[in-house]
Amino acid sequence: QVTLKESGPVLVKPTETLTLTCTVSGFSLSNPRMNVAWIRQPPGKALEWLAHLSSNDDKSYSPSLRTRLTISKDTSRSQVVLTMTHMDPVDTATYFCARMLGSVASISYFDFWGQGTQVTVSS
Amino acid sequence: SYELTQPPSVSVSPGQTGTITCSGDRLGDKYTSWYQQKPGQSPILVIYQDNKRPSGIPERFSGSSSGNTATLTISGTQAMDEADYYCQAWDGRNVIFGGGTKVTVL
Repeated sequence: QVTLKESGPVLVKPTETLTLTCTVSGFSLSNPRMNVAWIRQPPGKALEWLAHLSSNDDKSYSPSLRTRLTISKDTSRSQVVLTMTHMDPVDTATYFCARMLGSVASISYFDFWGQGTQVTVSS
Repeated sequence: SYELTQPPSVSVSPGQTGTITCSGDRLGDKYTSWYQQKPGQSPILVIYQDNKRPSGIPERFSGSSSGNTATLTISGTQAMDEADYYCQAWDGRNVIFGGGTKVTVL
């Protein structure tokens, strides 16, 4: 059974760094067809892709947030970590991690999603 | 930057066919996926690679893509299909989501 579970702070202050962890089960982060992405959704708004990480440690970031994001993984702990620097109230959102299935990006899709974690940015 | 455009809302009567469009430059040359999201829940994949249906997704959901438009069709729409629907495609290494379409069944 494939599951993904996000964890991290519920509240962060402006200018702080957010660190989120996605713990997966039911698949291996070393499987070349199975990658993990972070996607967020501000209240009442659309989904926004942030970053993804492949099994060979290849990383891709949203061009608009690239300078603020870092994605990494600990395969032995089945965890993918996203850090976002210089948090601002506009970054208030539900943050999802999702499994990205496919050997190459252009044919990949998100077949399993975590429940999401709500992050509020406020002083 | 690449954009995907969806109508903000679509209304469909129970038992009827509803269609949701997703437009983007030469979108038919890319693969489109579709996700259903109900209030307070995580998105669920309903169509991938334009027209493939994951296990467990009802046959009433179908997809197609050609030219600049991908389409999600819900045949015999049920009340449980009321949700937000998002299209998604790739622009190189970047993931692009559409703005979402709220489907109302009434």
